Amino acid sequence: QVQLQESGPGLVKPSGTLSLTCAVSGGSISSNNWWSWVRQPPGKGLEWIGEIYRGGSTNYSPSLKSRVTISVDKSKNEFSLKLSSVTAADTAVYYCARQGSYNVEYWGQGTLVIVSS
Amino acid sequence: EIVLTQSPGTLSLSPGERATLSCRASQSVSSRYLAWYQQKPGQAPRLLIYGASSRATGIPDRFSGSVSGTDFTLTISRLEPEDFAVYYCQQYGSSPPGYTFGQGTKLEIK
Repeated sequence: QVQLQESGPGLVKPSGTLSLTCAVSGGSISSNNWWSWVRQPPGKGLEWIGEIYRGGSTNYSPSLKSRVTISVDKSKNEFSLKLSSVTAADTAVYYCARQGSYNVEYWGQGTLVIVSS
Repeated sequence: EIVLTQSPGTLSLSPGERATLSCRASQSVSSRYLAWYQQKPGQAPRLLIYGASSRATGIPDRFSGSVSGTDFTLTISRLEPEDFAVYYCQQYGSSPPGYTFGQGTKLEIK
């Protein structure tokens, strides 16, 4: 059973860069799957941020593309999210996930990131 | 960009009743690309239905999905107390590649 665990700072200053890592266990980051990030502002719905494949190919949400970088570290079996120039609107629970066939099959527990000075 | 509109926003029902949740796409969406999730407070979403009508592993058979044109439906045949939650539909788009979610339907106890 694949398990995912997000980690990173819970507080980021406005205009700074949000950085999160997702550790994968029970499976390989090099498997034939896409790995993604999804976020959920408090009390609101889900927003897909982007995805990465084992070889490093990425796709990003058009609305966030200019600020997002997703990368993979095969040696550590983990992948990461960087979101630059953050504002209060980026405050959310951030989930890392493994995709199945056109769906999100496995989810991490989520980590709350607050953007505030 | 395809927009998914879920209705109703809130559905109030009693245990044992039948729940019907709707997800309408603004453009044609392949059934292969449509999924449903359940989310309880403080938890990550859980995949219920993929390919519009296939149940994910471990999902009870009281959950079913169907499609008619651009209208997708999640049906819960007989509500159990643990089914009261927020439900989201999601579609995969290929141009540009990525996922979009509906705004959610809250299923609450009447």
